Parts: sequence; structure tokens; C-alpha cells
Amino acid sequence: NAGVTQTPKFRVLKTGQSMTLLCAQDMNHEYMYWYRQDPGMGLRLIHYSVGEGTTAKGEVPDGYNVSRLKKQNFLLGLESAAPSQTSVYFCASSKPGQGLYEQYFGPGTRLTVT
Amino acid sequence: GIQVEQSPPDLILQEGANSTLRCNFSDSVNNLQWFHQNPWGQLINLFYIPSGTKQNGRLSATTVATERYSLLYISSSQTTDSGVYFCAVGPDHEKLTFGTGTRLTIIP
Repeated sequence: NAGVTQTPKFRVLKTGQSMTLLCAQDMNHEYMYWYRQDPGMGLRLIHYSVGEGTTAKGEVPDGYNVSRLKKQNFLLGLESAAPSQTSVYFCASSKPGQGLYEQYFGPGTRLTVT
Repeated sequence: GIQVEQSPPDLILQEGANSTLRCNFSDSVNNLQWFHQNPWGQLINLFYIPSGTKQNGRLSATTVATERYSLLYISSSQTTDSGVYFCAVGPDHEKLTFGTGTRLTIIP
């Protein structure tokens, strides 16, 4: 099993450009999450999904959109990138339905917006 | 929302030493997890422990939910234990709020 994978690993955008980050998991997990990590601030939840076709806002959702069209994939979109969105983005998944509450993380995507 | 405080923020130890990391939280929780972020950035889940005590090798964790704190113990530290340790909590199993972490450096 590959676990949780993220594409791309690195990206540089100019202000105003758009992009989509892809998260994929092969563990048949119901729940998926997108976090951002900034220096000294720990991880903050952007959006999450408790199942295919559902999404919900987290702590810092502004400027981001998400979609969960397939159970194994969770997409994070930036419609008009801003320098404040420079960060490391992590995807995670979990399977609470079977008592497996631990969140498993992908390797991260480092995004720089100039 | 729930506030999470971790202490100490930084810890430097000699290889072989023991350490205790603390996580305080401001409200009752049904979800508490400890993570290790290694120097390359990878986040590894160490424990799911909303209450009670668990052990895994040289690591153990205890959560006293009624007093709103959790402790992570690392015994006989190795250089591979270096990194940042995060505590994350939530009222349910949908969302987690992370603390700002404890940065642990193990010196050979």
C-alpha cells in the first residue's frame, strides 16, 4: 500500500494564478483532511470530508475550495493564489467507522506564492 | 474553539536520556492524538489516546481527560527521536486542533 500520496511535492505560483493539489489514499478510509502548516503555528485544518461527495469547512477555509468526487481522492483548489497562502500543505485520512481514529498523513506539498 | 498548549517548546537531551512532553487542552475531548514530525517533514501517528495509558516500545502516553492534559514519555532517547512532537485534540472524530509542538533534539 502506498498510503496517502500528494501531488505535486513542490510548486511555485505567481499571485493570482490557480492550481489544484491532489491527495490520494489506498486504505479505503472514509475521512480525508487538508491542513496547512506555517512556521511556529502547528497545523491548521482547511477543509475536510467525511465521505464521498461531502465536504466541510475547517478552521481556515477562506481562499480554498475542495472536492471529493471519489472516495480515494480529495482535491484542494486555490482559485487566485495570494502570498499569504505560501505554506506546506498536508493531506490526511482516517477510518472512524471501524474504530480506526488515527489520522495518517501524506508527505506534504510545499507551495510558494510570489 | 479548543485551545491546545504544549510544553516545553524546545528540549535538548543527550542520547539515552528520558523525557516527558505535556499537552494541556481547554475543553473536554473525545479525540486526542500524538504525532511525530521528523526532520524531513513526515508526520507519523504515535498514539490515539483520548483517555488512559498506552505504550509502544520506548514511547508511552497517558491522558487524564478529567484534568485536561496528556503526557508523552520517551525513554532511552535515540537520535532518530529528534523532531517535533504534536498533540492534537477534538470534541469528536471529525476534526483535530493541533498544538504548536515540542521540538526535541537528541545529541549523540
